[in-house]
Amino acid sequence: DTGVSQDPRHKITKRGQNVTFRCDPISEHNRLYWYRQTLGQGPEFLTYFQNEAQLEKSRLLSDRFSAERPKGSFSTLEIQRTEQGDSAMYLCASSVLGARETQYFGPGTRLLVL
Amino acid sequence: QQQVKQSPQSLIVQKGGISIINCAYENTAFDYFPWYQQFPGKGPALLIAIRPDVSEKKEGRFTISFNKSAKQFSLHIMDSQPGDSATYFCAASLTSGSRLTFGEGTQLTVNP
Repeated sequence: DTGVSQDPRHKITKRGQNVTFRCDPISEHNRLYWYRQTLGQGPEFLTYFQNEAQLEKSRLLSDRFSAERPKGSFSTLEIQRTEQGDSAMYLCASSVLGARETQYFGPGTRLLVL
Repeated sequence: QQQVKQSPQSLIVQKGGISIINCAYENTAFDYFPWYQQFPGKGPALLIAIRPDVSEKKEGRFTISFNKSAKQFSLHIMDSQPGDSATYFCAASLTSGSRLTFGEGTQLTVNP
């Protein structure tokens, strides 16, 4: 399977703990996006990278959230001091910079903060 | 601020019928309008997309109709099948490849 992969698929944590999610984009895709999706809602943009550079961050991305994409390959999204409101599906997508860019989504990481 | 509004929230159609989902947007600078299909436990998958220089795009049973003056676009699924039962999201972006702004989603159920 050469699609976008995310790990873990599910994460249960206690309030106040830190969590880290990983996304592996489709090979040679130079753009990588993070979105958050709550139940019954559409995905909301968090941030995106072009190669290793983080080009845009949403206001939703509070100081407790940090994302990295070292070497322009996989990306990690860390949430520090988790809150119950952080419970959501965290989706990663990747695309190729070009004339017809389609964002291909991974299966997501479902986070539950108790 | 909700920049893309989608309706209806849920839709039930019979097999073979036409499913119609509507979206309206506010930002006239949007120039790329994709539709995504999402099954439970999966990430969204691109169905079809349109740019504002055309009024209609058809791919198989799926058609997007686009009305630039009304700032509205819709997805039509012809000959709906039970396998089409999923949640559908419209989206918009300023340029292809930039952040996507999604609608709230429509849960489609196609009865056999």
